[in-house]
Amino acid sequence: DAGVIQSPRHEVTEMGQEVTLRCKPISGHNSLFWYRQTMMRGLELLIYFNNNVPIDDSGMPEDRFSAKMPNASFSTLKIQPSEPRDSAVYFCASSNRDRGHTQYFGPGTRLTVL
Amino acid sequence: SQQGEEDPQALSIQEGENATMNCSYKTSINNLQWYRQNSGRGLVHLILIRSNEREKHSGRLRVTLDTSKKSSSLLITASRAADTASYFCATDNFGNEKLTFGTGTRLTIIP
Repeated sequence: DAGVIQSPRHEVTEMGQEVTLRCKPISGHNSLFWYRQTMMRGLELLIYFNNNVPIDDSGMPEDRFSAKMPNASFSTLKIQPSEPRDSAVYFCASSNRDRGHTQYFGPGTRLTVL
Repeated sequence: SQQGEEDPQALSIQEGENATMNCSYKTSINNLQWYRQNSGRGLVHLILIRSNEREKHSGRLRVTLDTSKKSSSLLITASRAADTASYFCATDNFGNEKLTFGTGTRLTIIP
């Protein structure tokens, strides 16, 4: 079975540009999580969805960040406008809530904002 | 703020030796998990221990949990070069599927 798929794997953009990160969770999983990882702050949960509904977005840094999950097999994290301090690795993870809380991570998107 | 704090932050040992990493947390938990992250990769789940369990084994991994001290340890026996990675503990609370990750221990196995 395919794992969590993220695209792009690397993104380099200039300050002020819009960035869209994409995630395809594991088929049959009903929860999806977006994380950000930096050396300074470690791994931070930004937002998570259950059955496509946002449950907790308290980790979203500010209004420049938004996330959607239009269906069970796709989610996006958008940053508009992007800033250099948004540079980080962004991970998507999915889990099956009915089978415990083990999360399966994608390979991540390394974002660099110049 | 991080729920879990791993100790030590970095650990280097010779191949074949045992590696022990510790994790402390602050609030009551439902489960505690350990994950591994190889450089440039996503996290991979290793093992889960429930709050009513004290010890669990999986291959060369041994996890202990002391809820009275709010701490857990991960022991990797007979380490291999492929064990070089960062290791994170993660906790979840009752009725909440959010995981709170610790700061991680960077383990280096010297061949």
